[in-house]
Amino acid sequence: EVQLVESGGGLVQPGGSLRLSCSASGFTFSTYTMHWVRQAPGKGLEYVSAISTNGGSTYYADSVKGRFTISRDNSKNTLYLQMSSLRTEDTAVYYCVKEVDYWGQGTLVTVSS
Amino acid sequence: DIQMTQSPSSLSASVGDRVTITCRASQGISSWLAWYQQKPEKAPKSLIYAASSLQAGVPSRFSGSGSGTDFTLTITSLQPEDFATYYCQQYNSYPLTFGGGTKVEIK
Repeated sequence: EVQLVESGGGLVQPGGSLRLSCSASGFTFSTYTMHWVRQAPGKGLEYVSAISTNGGSTYYADSVKGRFTISRDNSKNTLYLQMSSLRTEDTAVYYCVKEVDYWGQGTLVTVSS
Repeated sequence: DIQMTQSPSSLSASVGDRVTITCRASQGISSWLAWYQQKPEKAPKSLIYAASSLQAGVPSRFSGSGSGTDFTLTITSLQPEDFATYYCQQYNSYPLTFGGGTKVEIK
């Protein structure tokens, strides 16, 4: 059974940093492109970032480029999202997504003073 | 960026109704389109990929069609558990953009 479990969310002040993790199981993690998608409270889905199977290629939405860094550790079956210079508009539930099929349960990031 | 336009943004329907949701891409995406269902406070669930292929375990009352720029999600005989918000997503090119969502409510 495919499982994606996010962690690392919480309350952070504007300008602060946070690192999200996504622990994967039930599939061969190293053979799939992985994604982060977020959803602000009461809003729709927003694509954030992607990383190729070996980490050699990454993609970032313009809204997070230069502030967020996606990475992965295939030996640990774990996906990461390092977030810095956080803004109030980054407040959202962040989902880890495998290809276009499985989603984690999400982790809430709240940026507020 | 490819813009995805979903319509309607919301609809009211009764159990047993046939429901159709459309998604239009601002440029051709071949069949690189997925549909998701999201219930309140839950993560999205994948229903359809490659425009018309049903994910394992998804009831056959859900179907998808289309290619190029125009796509449709159809639910035949709406069930109580189908009341939710539905999103389309193109995965032809980055950023993998989503439609604005369609909320299906009980009439």
